[in-house]
Amino acid sequence: NAGVTQTPKFRILKIGQSMTLQCAQDMNHNYMYWYRQDPGMGLKLIYYSVGAGITDKGEVPNGYNVSRSTTEDFPLRLELAAPSQTSVYFCASSIRTGEAFFGQGTRLTVV
Amino acid sequence: AQTVTQSQPEMSVQEAETVTLSCTYDTSESDYYLFWYKQPPSRQMILVIRQEAYKQQNATENRFSVNFQKAAKSFSLKISDSQLGDAAMYFCAYSGGGADGLTFGKGTHLIIQP
Repeated sequence: NAGVTQTPKFRILKIGQSMTLQCAQDMNHNYMYWYRQDPGMGLKLIYYSVGAGITDKGEVPNGYNVSRSTTEDFPLRLELAAPSQTSVYFCASSIRTGEAFFGQGTRLTVV
Repeated sequence: AQTVTQSQPEMSVQEAETVTLSCTYDTSESDYYLFWYKQPPSRQMILVIRQEAYKQQNATENRFSVNFQKAAKSFSLKISDSQLGDAAMYFCAYSGGGADGLTFGKGTHLIIQP
């Protein structure tokens, strides 16, 4: 089973550039999430989705956008990248009880 | 809003010994879920153990066990017979059971001395 697949694993962006982080899950989970992890910190929620066509903001949504056209896919869009968005990004999916299954993470550096 | 606090930024233990990582949380809910995740240098987030708040019995998974004190809002992780492969960041996390995701502590860096 693939579980949660994130691409790319690493990326360097220049200030002002845009990119999309891809996330796909094959567990038929309704709930999907994007988190960011800064050094020395736990994960913080950026956006989440309870099903296709439904998304909502988490704790730190500024500078990001998401869409959920299918149950499987939940891409995260960064517009006008800034150094403050340098972080490790995790996509996850879960069932109602909150036990989350994570992708391998994307290390993003904005220079 | 819920908060999760891990008061030990770093812990060190000799191989084969036992270590306990602390976690406290704050919530007004009576029904919720608690988790410990392990993050090795590969940065993959790996679920170690989970606890449902309505269960009085402490969860156990092989060498990993928890001490869940609901009234004190405490959820510590005990690792017995520590192994070199246990070296990692450990995160305590809370879920209200809905769709709004996990709330994480800042993590404890566990070092295993050979």
